[in-house]
Amino acid sequence: GAAVSQSPRYKVAKRGQDVALRCDPISGHVSLFWYQQALGQGPEFLTYFQNEAQLDKSGLPSDRFFAERPEGSVSTLKIQRTQQEDSAVYLCASSPSPGTGAALGNTIYFGEGSWLTVV
Amino acid sequence: QKEVEQNSGPLSVPEGAIASLNCTYSDRGSQSFFWYRQYSGKSPELIMSIYSNGDKEDGRFTAQLNKASQYVSLLIRDSQPSDSATYLCAVTDSGYALNFGKGTSLLVTP
Repeated sequence: GAAVSQSPRYKVAKRGQDVALRCDPISGHVSLFWYQQALGQGPEFLTYFQNEAQLDKSGLPSDRFFAERPEGSVSTLKIQRTQQEDSAVYLCASSPSPGTGAALGNTIYFGEGSWLTVV
Repeated sequence: QKEVEQNSGPLSVPEGAIASLNCTYSDRGSQSFFWYRQYSGKSPELIMSIYSNGDKEDGRFTAQLNKASQYVSLLIRDSQPSDSATYLCAVTDSGYALNFGKGTSLLVTP
């Protein structure tokens, strides 16, 4: 598609529940990023995929967070045993070039986000 | 810890005025700098990118970079009410992560 699509858009989870958030990047985009944005804060990097390879997962806050992109297109972010501090907007982004590709004038396109509330 | 600092605002300017948004960063290895606009409840949208010291202009927007002072700014000329949003400064080195500031809220009043 011509836009990054995320689902569900809104999710309310009970504490301790597992959740899965899906991202459909723009077709053909090599790079896929996950960010977490808490209320009133800027996005914080979670993880990066180049095609199917997860090249950086340094931002994942704990081992309860897991991401995959098995075929190099759709990605899923899974959060196990959710806690209240996991409440945030989870943003997926994609770009046509590897990495941030800044020097190449690469543009990173963000999806609308999945709003997670843990109660 | 790679810090990106922005004044949270709100910055209020009258319609037609110049809005000036500022950002400082801590990592001297930073190579690329971005300004994103984010409307409430929406995703960040790239406004400007800048890689070299000096000014870069695109329409009503001008990004300014001073690597020696570790400072990047965004000027919005002829501000419009539709420019009211949160502006996020993002910085990256050669890695994969964009490091964002908390954003500055801009309000353009008619």
